[in-house]
Amino acid sequence: GEDVEQSLFLSVREGDSSVINCTYTDSSSTYLYWYKQEPGAGLQLLTYIFSNMDMKQDQRLTVLLNKKDKHLSLRIADTQTGDSAIYFCAEIPFGQGGKLIFGQGTELSVKP
Amino acid sequence: DAGVIQSPRHEVTEMGQEVTLRCKPISGHDYLFWYRQTMMRGLELLIYFNNNVPIDDSGMPEDRFSAKMPNASFSTLKIQPSEPRDSAVYFCASSGGGNEQFFGPGTRLTVL
Repeated sequence: GEDVEQSLFLSVREGDSSVINCTYTDSSSTYLYWYKQEPGAGLQLLTYIFSNMDMKQDQRLTVLLNKKDKHLSLRIADTQTGDSAIYFCAEIPFGQGGKLIFGQGTELSVKP
Repeated sequence: DAGVIQSPRHEVTEMGQEVTLRCKPISGHDYLFWYRQTMMRGLELLIYFNNNVPIDDSGMPEDRFSAKMPNASFSTLKIQPSEPRDSAVYFCASSGGGNEQFFGPGTRLTVL
């Protein structure tokens, strides 16, 4: 079945790097996503990676994909207090159209 | 572009009442998704449309829930009769058929 797992909490100091991890079960997923949700707001797409890629970098964000271990990570360099939010990993399993399967979300707390 | 627009932003109603949530997708997008977010179940897809036609409604909890998309710029999610366990944040998202789904700000529903 389809399942996406994330740790629930992460706390870092401002200026440090944050690494948020995610594991998924469906090896057929073609795209994997990272969304950010600030309190009381909707979900903002941060970045996504195609399953035939190992890494994608976008400014302070680096996504690493280990397809063998079904492990996805999001690294935020030079983490700022404005990065405090909940981060969701998501996948679209093959043949599921646009159906996003989300993890539980990781709450990132950035301390000054 | 205004992004995905949802109304109302907050809805408080009493058990047994009918609730209608509204969504205007991004102009030109031909996919529309309804998601529900709760503490217990996280984010889950309820239904999605392509070119105004419902494609997958397997996530709709029960017959009390119905969704329509009468035209490309408007969709409704109706709950009748509402129950306290329907309390959640309901998100609408749209996509242009690519790999990115854009979320609205959500409607926070409280059923007393």
